[in-house]
Amino acid sequence: SYELTQPPSVSVSPGQTATITCSGDELPKQYVYWYQQKTGQAPVLVIYKDKERPSGIPERFSGSTSGTVVTLTISGVQAEDEADYYCHSPDSSGTWGFGGGTKVTVL
Amino acid sequence: EVQLVQSGAEVKKPGESLKVSCRGSGYNFATHWIGWVRQKPGKGLEWMGIIFPGDSDARYSPSFQGQVSFSVDKSINTAYLEWSSLRASDTAKYYCASITSTLFTAFDFWGQGTLVTVSS
Repeated sequence: SYELTQPPSVSVSPGQTATITCSGDELPKQYVYWYQQKTGQAPVLVIYKDKERPSGIPERFSGSTSGTVVTLTISGVQAEDEADYYCHSPDSSGTWGFGGGTKVTVL
Repeated sequence: EVQLVQSGAEVKKPGESLKVSCRGSGYNFATHWIGWVRQKPGKGLEWMGIIFPGDSDARYSPSFQGQVSFSVDKSINTAYLEWSSLRASDTAKYYCASITSTLFTAFDFWGQGTLVTVSS
């Protein structure tokens, strides 16, 4: 399956900035999507096409890309942002993969 | 409002068969891809594949090809995930998710998940 690599965990104090990276060989050619999953809940899309925010997602969530690495940034982290975050993108054959997930802990 | 409602939790024995369902509402079910995602206990998300209800065109992840099968019943807006012979390693929560947006091609709505437990 398509491999996307994320750091296992990120810890951040309230009001600070959390940065989550995702790397993969196909990322320069494919869009990346980011999902937030809180404990016991289904995932929620927070970023689509690398940097676009769906309706209803706070402006503190943003996405960027640079070569084989894409980044999800949460500016001014709030306690409610504590969750697992997954990047999601297809490879050239159309098979989609998820990153391993990054647990964001708000200290 | 788009909604995906999945069938309830299942407890099965190894070797048994199982079919779980996902009913969509609030959108044109037949014209939007719907897919399945596995999440083992305490682990991450795994993309299993997608199916287009209009013509039942199914695309499987290589990791799941031959292990499960997808089907749909357009008349009742329902997608199915099926196993012919379960293994203990199939124990997981399974989510269905749809691609309803015209802006992108990733899952934008998700079901609540179906927990499948396989144990002797």
